[in-house]
Amino acid sequence: GAGVSQTPSNKVTEKGKYVELRCDPISGHTALYWYRQSLGQGPEFLIYFQGTGAADDSGLPNDRFFAVRPEGSVSTLKIQRTERGDSAVYLCASSRIAGGTGELFFGEGSRLTVL
Amino acid sequence: AQSVTQPDIHITVSEGASLELRCNYSYGATPYLFWYVQSPGQGLQLLLKYFSGDTLVQGIKGFEAEFKRSQSSFNLRKPSVHWSDAAEYFCAVAGSGGYQKVTFGTGTKLQVIP
Repeated sequence: GAGVSQTPSNKVTEKGKYVELRCDPISGHTALYWYRQSLGQGPEFLIYFQGTGAADDSGLPNDRFFAVRPEGSVSTLKIQRTERGDSAVYLCASSRIAGGTGELFFGEGSRLTVL
Repeated sequence: AQSVTQPDIHITVSEGASLELRCNYSYGATPYLFWYVQSPGQGLQLLLKYFSGDTLVQGIKGFEAEFKRSQSSFNLRKPSVHWSDAAEYFCAVAGSGGYQKVTFGTGTKLQVIP
C-alpha cells in the first residue's frame, strides 16, 4: 500500500491476555518506530528499528513489551500479560532516512483496550 | 534528555483569524524541530521541520514556524485559519548528529468557530 498500515485498528482484550499488533511500513523505508499515545497525551516513544535490529528500545515500559522486525519490513509489537494501564493507541511510523532526521510517516494506529 | 512543552492544551479561534501555537523545547545543542498535525481518524502528518539555516520555515497548508534559539521556542503560525485546520497539533524535537529519537509534546487541540 501507499501508506503505513496497522492491524488491527481496534483490539479489545481481557487483563492478562497476550496481544500482537502489526505494522506494515511504506515500501523501502528502513527505519521503523513504535509509539504509544494515551488519551490527552502526545505520542510516547517505545522502540526504533533500523533494518532488522532494534537500534533503541529504551522506551519499552517493561519486559512485558517486545517487538520484532525479522525481515526488515513488517514489525510486530507483542504485549504479554496485558494490564488495564496498557490501554492506548499504538502508533507505528516509518521513515526513509534513518536516525530521526527524516519525516516520520504514521499509520492510523491500533487502539488497544484492556478490560 | 530532550523534552517539549506545549503550554496550551486547547485553543479556540474564529475562522479567518490568525493563529499562533506555542512550543518550547529543551535540548543541549541545536535541535531538529518538527510540527505534526493529527486530524480525527487520520495519522499524524508532518507540517514542517527545522534542521538548520533560515530560522523561519514554511510548511504545508499555509503554516510557518520560527526557531528562536534565545527563547528555546518553535512557535507555529498561520495568518488566516480555515475550518479544516481544526485538529490536534504536536511539536516534536530530535537531537542533531547520528541517531536521535523524536520526542513529542502533549499537543494543542485547535477548535475553529465560524
